[in-house]
Amino acid sequence: SSELTQDPAVSVALGQTVRITCQGDSLRSYYASWYQQKPGQAPVLVIYGKNNRPSGIPDRFSGSSSGNTASLTITGAQAEDEADYYCNSRDSSGNLVVFGGGTKLTVL
Amino acid sequence: QLQLQESGPGLVKPSETLSLTCTVSGGSISSSSYYWGWIRQPPGKGLEWIGSIYYSGSTYYNPSLKSRVTISVDTSKNQFSLKLSSVTAADTAVYYCATQRRYCSGGSCYRPNWFDPWGQGTLVTVSS
Repeated sequence: SSELTQDPAVSVALGQTVRITCQGDSLRSYYASWYQQKPGQAPVLVIYGKNNRPSGIPDRFSGSSSGNTASLTITGAQAEDEADYYCNSRDSSGNLVVFGGGTKLTVL
Repeated sequence: QLQLQESGPGLVKPSETLSLTCTVSGGSISSSSYYWGWIRQPPGKGLEWIGSIYYSGSTYYNPSLKSRVTISVDTSKNQFSLKLSSVTAADTAVYYCATQRRYCSGGSCYRPNWFDPWGQGTLVTVSS
């Protein structure tokens, strides 16, 4: 079982804002990173660190954190944002990497 | 720009050892700037970190797999490898190699939790 918990599925209307969350005790100490994965493709990093976007990632993607919960916000969701989203961070010891179970985002 | 490519058998028999290689281009595997990692994804399921290695040979393994996993670096070929022993059907998955770029802050340097970039992945099926 994962030390990071995500809602299995979330939906959003086209052009609206959606927040995908990731919960875990280790998030009180470590930032979460976020990945987008489309069917048949490798995951792509979209947010890392406090709130950093790799080159090429649209600025509608942003990250935040409060207490034991990290959030990925998509402001103005597009059809191409429909994908699985995974968070990852450290475990409670800080030595190991863990992934959340993933959230399937549907854009209506 | 770093690029990674996995290679290895797509079919492994139960109880045998799964062996995969990740070839790195666009950068040196001997660089102190990077850690090199393996992640897997069973069909229809989520991501699982297997382990990571630094160019110095330091390794970090998922405790749930540690007894069966070996990750190593071959600097002469600019590759790193994964060996997973005593495989069962539960080890059937897409296996990805990926990079963790070391970052420094406040005079100290760290292994990050994030991976970027990733290889395209390779499906390994465990079946007789």
